[in-house]
Amino acid sequence: RKEVEQDPGPFNVPEGATVAFNCTYSNSASQSFFWYRQDCRKEPKLLMSVYSSGNEDGRFTAQLNRASQYISLLIRDSKLSDSATYLCVVTYYSGGYQKVTFGIGTKLQVIP
Amino acid sequence: GAVVSQHPSRVICKSGTSVKIECRSLDFQATTMFWYRQFPKQSLMLMATSNEGSKATYEQGVEKDKFLINHASLTLSTLTVTSAHPEDSSFYICSAGGRRNSSYEQYFGPGTRLTVT
Repeated sequence: RKEVEQDPGPFNVPEGATVAFNCTYSNSASQSFFWYRQDCRKEPKLLMSVYSSGNEDGRFTAQLNRASQYISLLIRDSKLSDSATYLCVVTYYSGGYQKVTFGIGTKLQVIP
Repeated sequence: GAVVSQHPSRVICKSGTSVKIECRSLDFQATTMFWYRQFPKQSLMLMATSNEGSKATYEQGVEKDKFLINHASLTLSTLTVTSAHPEDSSFYICSAGGRRNSSYEQYFGPGTRLTVT
């Protein structure tokens, strides 16, 4: 089983739609969780951290379910500019060092 | 926010030559540097993790003698692809990680696109 699993998509949604992505992780000792956004041929950029209590940033809501070991990202009122690949990132400590694992990413295409 | 730079952004080299990629954290002390590789339509794959002043830890399947990593200071890490082959053509991204504002943060460089002919 992969450490971090995501549905690669693509998710094709009309402008204004609400779309949700899930990401599952296998290591129960994972400590920190993030969603990154990656545009084509560019480096990933941090979208938001994911906290146990859930957190919201404008149209974006992230949630963590430790019991089921998944995190989610909800995008409301999709914009054309939201088209990108969304990467789920999970970190944990091993041997005294931070280990960071990326999911394969979920591709979102917002259609006019 | 913190900025991580990479140089060069794009490089084309001939098979058999070596290429060095620099990664600098411009306003951030990176206790850990990560080097990733991304092939087209694939996820970021961690190649190695290096902590300042110590040897890099390579992921399984990554040849340490081929991908030489140096992390001599808290602001600079280099990746040297030795005796490059066409299959090494990829997008290489570094990331600087460390404590900033009492929490662990990680920032990515803009990436280096390597093409080996």
